[in-house]
Amino acid sequence: NAGVTQTPKFQVLKTGQSMTLQCAQDMNHEYMSWYRQDPGMGLRLIHYSVGAGITDQGEVPNGYNVSRSTTEDFPLRLLSAAPSQTSVYFCASSYSGQGLSYEQYFGPGTRLTVT
Amino acid sequence: AQSVTQLDSHVSVSEGTPVLLRCNYSSSYSPSLFWYVQHPNKGLQLLLKYTSAATLVKGINGFEAEFKKSETSFHLTKPSAHMSDAAEYFCVLTTGTASKLTFGTGTRLQVTL
Repeated sequence: NAGVTQTPKFQVLKTGQSMTLQCAQDMNHEYMSWYRQDPGMGLRLIHYSVGAGITDQGEVPNGYNVSRSTTEDFPLRLLSAAPSQTSVYFCASSYSGQGLSYEQYFGPGTRLTVT
Repeated sequence: AQSVTQLDSHVSVSEGTPVLLRCNYSSSYSPSLFWYVQHPNKGLQLLLKYTSAATLVKGINGFEAEFKKSETSFHLTKPSAHMSDAAEYFCVLTTGTASKLTFGTGTRLQVTL
């Protein structure tokens, strides 16, 4: 059971380039999400999905796209990278539904630098 | 609207002394509250969670937290700090589905000899 995996661990992009951050989980969780972590700001939700084929925007969605074609995978696409997107990105998954006690499982993160 | 305030951005303690990391929350509904720990260059790991059962919650590695509704607080404590506790700690609130997590800005715990 690998949990939540993310690739790559590190990435350097030039302004205007595009790329996809990969996230996969093997726990059959319905809910998956992407966060960015910036110094002094905690984690902020970018996009999330409550199941295959269903995605929605979080707090800071601009400049990012997502899709969820399978339960296991939830890639995050940067369409045209900007220096403001320099951050550490975390993918997380959990069971979904109306319960309040669902623990989020986090991946190890992707450290992205945009020059 | 819901919010989480971690009252200290940085806490320094000596090894073997108690740890107190403070968290206040604001919510219009009954909350679930979590503490996560993040060691350097690692992902977040759940320490403990409160979900409207017992107000004193015990977690991993000797940590515990007490939910106090009257004070809207959920402070994290540990009787005796260990060097391996040095990390960043996040207080997290949710009042609905898994998509509605609100993170505090984090408290960096430093443990000195």
